[in-house]
Amino acid sequence: DSGVTQTPKHLITATGQRVTLRCSPRSGDLSVYWYQQSLDQGLQFLIQYYNGEERAKGNILERFSAQQFPDLHSELNLSSLELGDSALYFCASSVGDRTSRNEKLFFGSGTQLSVL
Amino acid sequence: EDQVTQSPEALRLQEGESSSLNCSYTVSGLRGLFWYRQDPGKGPEFLFTLYSAGEEKEKERLKATLTKKESFLHITAPKPEDSATYLCAAAMDSNYQLIWGAGTKLIIKP
Repeated sequence: DSGVTQTPKHLITATGQRVTLRCSPRSGDLSVYWYQQSLDQGLQFLIQYYNGEERAKGNILERFSAQQFPDLHSELNLSSLELGDSALYFCASSVGDRTSRNEKLFFGSGTQLSVL
Repeated sequence: EDQVTQSPEALRLQEGESSSLNCSYTVSGLRGLFWYRQDPGKGPEFLFTLYSAGEEKEKERLKATLTKKESFLHITAPKPEDSATYLCAAAMDSNYQLIWGAGTKLIIKP
């Protein structure tokens, strides 16, 4: 068990809908990262938050947004969903604000999103 | 363009048959090279970090090595429980974000 909790485990929805994925980082970790993993694209970095502030952005669509709350949990909001958004969404956490020499990422078990 | 490429995409071995997985990288200023293991339906799990060419790290049947252009994950006398997808990722000096390879799916048959 990595200590990172993601809910829900599975989500089935329709095109055009909006969903929220939730992540609780490991105790003491201040950074939260969101990743998308699909069969044809591998692991794609979406966005990182550190202690409530956005720290880095990757290939995140404008239809997607995220935030990190004062208790450090994070939510990823996906709107106007398309079939191509179907993927496994992972949250990871780390102690500091960058993946530095001494830092490794701890991943949750992911949320499997299916858009029908 | 910063890039990480893993080969082969998939590797099937018999139990006890040693082999190596490759991770080649072209990044401007490597800060660290990470190896993760991912089981089906689970998130990646950290294995190793390598920082400089010539460095080696071992854990049970796995040994990771690093050169200036690539990293290898050597697996010695593998067991079926070593079956998983192995991911490598490079952290760059410029922004510390990880660039991930697509992974090698390793299948060990008893």
